[in-house]
Amino acid sequence: DTQMTQSPSSLSASVGDRVTITCRPSQGIRNDLGWYQQKPGKAPKRLIYAASSLQSGVPSRFSGSGSGTEFTLTISSLQPEDFATYYCLHHNSYPLTFGQGTRLEIK
Amino acid sequence: EVQLVESGGVVVLPGGSLRLSCAASGFKFDDYAMHWVRQAPGKGLEWVSFITWDGGTTHYADSVRGRFTVSRDNTKNSLYLQMNSLRLEDTAFYYCARDERAYSSGGIDYWGQGTLVTVSS
Repeated sequence: DTQMTQSPSSLSASVGDRVTITCRPSQGIRNDLGWYQQKPGKAPKRLIYAASSLQSGVPSRFSGSGSGTEFTLTISSLQPEDFATYYCLHHNSYPLTFGQGTRLEIK
Repeated sequence: EVQLVESGGVVVLPGGSLRLSCAASGFKFDDYAMHWVRQAPGKGLEWVSFITWDGGTTHYADSVRGRFTVSRDNTKNSLYLQMNSLRLEDTAFYYCARDERAYSSGGIDYWGQGTLVTVSS
């Protein structure tokens, strides 16, 4: 099974900051990775697919990069609505696995 | 607009059984594989199961294999999860989710709002 190690587990930042979240799979997964945002009481929403492609309707301040064994999600300038929990998910093989999540909080 | 609406979540005793349903609309259901994903209250996301567009291939997390069965009825645009031998640790919100592809996973693109299953004595 491919395990996903996501870091940090929590992050305090201010509006306007640039933040980066990292996921490292235990083995190479090509670019078979997506990033999701989840707000309290809501279903997750996909932000990035195929590691670096922006989901339609998602603001361009979100970007993804990486391939193989290291992936990053970057928010270039935090907005108030971006404070949420973020997850990576690989779909390279079964079982699919999520990262542990990164809770992004207002400083 | 893609819509996925789960139902069937209730309080059930340990060892009991339950069937969840997911009604799909806004897209051609039999063009897509589907998933179930769960989230224990206050915890992270856990992938549960996958089914191809025709129901011909299924996959499960080790934590549920042999107890849960995923199925679908394309004539009713519906996805199901039969849950048997339920344990306390199965308590979670269960989400129905659509895959990008029909045969093998291309990643989850849309999610339902979830239904809460509580296993408690």
